[in-house]
Amino acid sequence: SQQGEEDPQALSIQEGENATMNCSYKTSINNLQWYRQNSGRGLVHLILIRSNEREKHSGRLRVTLDTSKKSSSLLITASRAADTASYFCATDLLPNDYKLSFGAGTTVTVRA
Amino acid sequence: DAGVTQSPTHLIKTRGQHVTLRCSPISGHKSVSWYQQVLGQGPQFIFQYYEKEERGRGNFPDRFSARQFPNYSSELNVNALLLGDSALYLCASSLVQGAVYGYTFGSGTRLTVV
Repeated sequence: SQQGEEDPQALSIQEGENATMNCSYKTSINNLQWYRQNSGRGLVHLILIRSNEREKHSGRLRVTLDTSKKSSSLLITASRAADTASYFCATDLLPNDYKLSFGAGTTVTVRA
Repeated sequence: DAGVTQSPTHLIKTRGQHVTLRCSPISGHKSVSWYQQVLGQGPQFIFQYYEKEERGRGNFPDRFSARQFPNYSSELNVNALLLGDSALYLCASSLVQGAVYGYTFGSGTRLTVV
C-alpha cells in the first residue's frame, strides 16, 4: 500500500494559471518531498520540506505542510507548457530512513 | 558531471526468463536505491544499498535481488519473470544513506515481459 495519496488525480489548466495539488499521508513523517515525472521517465526532485517546517518556496513552487492534518500541498504559479508532467509526493518516516513511499501522483496538463 | 545512468533503456523478455538491470550513480554518491513503477502508479521501493551493503528491502519476492559493486554501481536481478513484473525500473542515488537531501533518479529501464 502507498503512504501518500495525491488529489486530484488529474488537472488541466491554461498556461499562466496556477496549479495546486494536494498530498495526504497516513503515518508521521520525517520529510516530505515532491518529484516531477515527464512522460513516464525518470523522477526529478523538486523540493523537500522537513516535518518541522510549514512552508517552503523554490522559484515558482510553493509547498506547505500541515502535520496535524497529515497533508501537504504543491502550488505551481504562472504555469508553463513545460510544467506538463506527473507530480508525486514522497515521504520518509525516520531520520535517515532508507526508502521513500510515493503516492499515485497528479497528472498536470498545461494548455497553451 | 553525468547524472544517474541506467541500462538498458528498454528490454523485452519472455515469462520465466532472467533479467539484469544496471545503474551507475552520480560520482561520489554511495547510496543506490531501486524502485518499481507500474503504469499508472507511483514508484514502489525494492532495495537500498549503501557502502555495498543492503540497507533495506521492500515487499518484493525473493526473485528480486541486487548488489552494489566497489565502484558503487549496482545491479538489479529478477529471476523467473512474470507478466506482472512489466514496469519501469528506476534507480536513485544519494550522497548519504537517508532521504534527507532528496534522491537523483535515472531515466529508468522499461521492462516488458511477454
